[in-house]
Amino acid sequence: EVQLLESGGGLVQPGGSLRLSCAASGFTLSGYTVNWVRQAPGRGLEWVSLIRGDNGDTYYADSVKGRFTISRDSSRSTVYLQLNSLRAEDTAVYYCAKDRPNVLAEFWGQGTLVTVSS
Amino acid sequence: DIQMTQSPSTLSASIGDRVTITCRASQSISIWLAWYQQKPGKAPKLLIYMASNLETGVPSRFSGSGSGTEFTLTISSLQPDDFATYYCQQYQSFYRTFGQGTKVEVK
Repeated sequence: EVQLLESGGGLVQPGGSLRLSCAASGFTLSGYTVNWVRQAPGRGLEWVSLIRGDNGDTYYADSVKGRFTISRDSSRSTVYLQLNSLRAEDTAVYYCAKDRPNVLAEFWGQGTLVTVSS
Repeated sequence: DIQMTQSPSTLSASIGDRVTITCRASQSISIWLAWYQQKPGKAPKLLIYMASNLETGVPSRFSGSGSGTEFTLTISSLQPDDFATYYCQQYQSFYRTFGQGTKVEVK
């Protein structure tokens, strides 16, 4: 059974850093693309980043480029999202979501809340 | 980046109504479009992929159509469980973008 479990969220001051984890089970990370998607309180969904399953290439939304870094550790079956230089507008629930071939985000985790505030 | 525009932003409907939501892309995305349903406090749920393919387990009252720049999600007969917010997302580009969402509410 496929499972995605996000963790690492919390309260952080503006300018601070946080590392989110997406622990995967039921599939091999290197075979599937994993996305991070966020949702600010009361707002819509925003795609943040992805790491390709086949070659590990990474992509970022303009709003986070240069501040966030996605990576994976296949030995731990975990995808990470490093959040640096955090701003109030980064406050959101962060979800990880797994693709399958030709199918976007077929499976989602439950999300982890990041709050950026002084 | 490819911009996605959904309409309407809010839709008021009754049980049994036929509901249609539109999503337009700023450039052609072929059939690389997905639709999701989201309920408050929950993760989104995939309904449709590749514009018109129904995800396993999704009721057949949901359908998707379109290609290029214009797409629709149709609920043929609205059920109580369908009151939610719906999003489209393109994946023609690795820089994947969502529409702003359509909230389907009780009329």
